Amino acid sequence: DVKVTQSSRYLVKRTGEKVFLECVQDMDHENMFWYRQDPGLGLRLIYFSYDVKMKEKGDIPEGYSVSREKKERFSLILESASTNQTSMYLCASSLFTGQETQYFGPGTRLLVL
Amino acid sequence: QQPVQSPQAVILREGEDAVINCSSSKALYSVHWYRQKHGEAPVFLMILLKGGEQKGHEKISASFNEKKQQSSLYLTASQLSYSGTYFCGTGSLVVSARQLTFGSGTQLTVLP
Repeated sequence: DVKVTQSSRYLVKRTGEKVFLECVQDMDHENMFWYRQDPGLGLRLIYFSYDVKMKEKGDIPEGYSVSREKKERFSLILESASTNQTSMYLCASSLFTGQETQYFGPGTRLLVL
Repeated sequence: QQPVQSPQAVILREGEDAVINCSSSKALYSVHWYRQKHGEAPVFLMILLKGGEQKGHEKISASFNEKKQQSSLYLTASQLSYSGTYFCGTGSLVVSARQLTFGSGTQLTVLP
């Protein structure tokens, strides 16, 4: 079974803090993704990566950056957290097979005060 | 643009049927369906590929009409365990071969 883990289930941060969310997958997947999930908006792609040190912007990259130094690990960074970044953050990974089924981690619920 | 899912929410009694629709403005080569229970990760249900196939998974099945760029998820004789939010994720070569674009979800509640 594919396992995708995220470093924290819940986080509370202050406005202006730098926030790191980490994601690790154990199935040697090339692709990794960061989404945020908000009520009524579904899953919106922030960034994705298809290889080590490679990244591409998704639909809502503003205010976020990412890092992928190792194949199994993909980090999402909020450079200066703001209250509108309060959300559920989901990480996913997939093989590049042309079918692109994604496997999700349990999510991190971030509250920015 | 995100695919459009309808309805946004549906409430059923155990044993009733439901249909969830997913419609895209882009040419699609795949549609993926996921279910997410409250507080949990989305879980993959099934994938439909270009070719208009229909797939089944226990009492949950789906169809894909590539010409209309639409997919429908059919839940037959619903069970309490079917409750959750259902998402479609669409694969389109217009966007990227590696990405899925997800709809906003359909919240399904099955009551005893």
